[in-house]
Amino acid sequence: EVQLLESGGGLGQPGGSLKLSCAASGFTFSSYAMSWVRQAPGKGLEWVSAIDYGDNTYYADSVKGRFTISRDNSKNTLYLQMNSLRAEDTAVYYCAKNGGSSSYNFMDVWGQGTTVTVSS
Amino acid sequence: DIVMTQSPDSLAVSLGERATINCKSSQSVLRGSNNKNYLAWYQERPGQPPKLLIYWASTRESGVPDRFSGSGSGTDFTLAISSLQAEDVAVYYCQQYFSIPYTFGQGTKLEIK
Repeated sequence: EVQLLESGGGLGQPGGSLKLSCAASGFTFSSYAMSWVRQAPGKGLEWVSAIDYGDNTYYADSVKGRFTISRDNSKNTLYLQMNSLRAEDTAVYYCAKNGGSSSYNFMDVWGQGTTVTVSS
Repeated sequence: DIVMTQSPDSLAVSLGERATINCKSSQSVLRGSNNKNYLAWYQERPGQPPKLLIYWASTRESGVPDRFSGSGSGTDFTLAISSLQAEDVAVYYCQQYFSIPYTFGQGTKLEIK
C-alpha cells in the first residue's frame, strides 16, 4: 500500500525555521516527482513546491527564497526546510506523490498532513 | 500564472440526483504535442486529505466510483456526479498541472439538499 507520513509540524516563531519530513512507502520513491501543498485554516489548497526525479526543484512565488524542498532517496523521505517563517505560512502541509517522474503531473497520493502554526 | 475559477462556490443536491461542477482556466491547459488536458479533480471530505478523482480531465482514478465523470477540453471543464450519495458530501477542487505554479480552483462545497 502506498503511504505518505508527514512529520515536523508545530509552533514556529515569526522569522524562525521548521523542517518538515515525509516518509514514503509502498512505491519506488526515487522514480516519482513529489510535491508539498498547503491549506490555510478555512481556505483552499495552495501548491507550495515540487521536486522531480532528477532533483529539479520548483516553488510558488510566496515561498521562493525562504523554503527549500529536497529528497533523500536512500531514506525514501521528502523534506521541506522552511525559513523566515511568516504568519501567513500557518497551514496544514500535505506531502503528495506525483503521478509520474515529471513535475508536470497530477498528485495521486496524499499524506494526512502536518500542521504548522507561526505565532509569537 | 493560470487562474482556475470554479462554479458554483456551493451546491446542494438531493440524494440520487445529478451534481455538476464547472471549472474554467484562464488559458488553455491542452498540450498539443500529446493532445492531453493537464487538469485534475480532487475530493476533500471533512477532516481528510484531498483524494484524486479524475486526471487528464476525464480519466477516472482507480477505485473511484463510476458515478464520477470528468469532461471538457482547453479551458472549460466539468465534474459530474451522476447519482449523489451521502458520502459525496465534500469540497471539490480542480487543478491544472500544465504549467508551474500548479493552481487550484477555489473549491466547490457540495451538500445534500
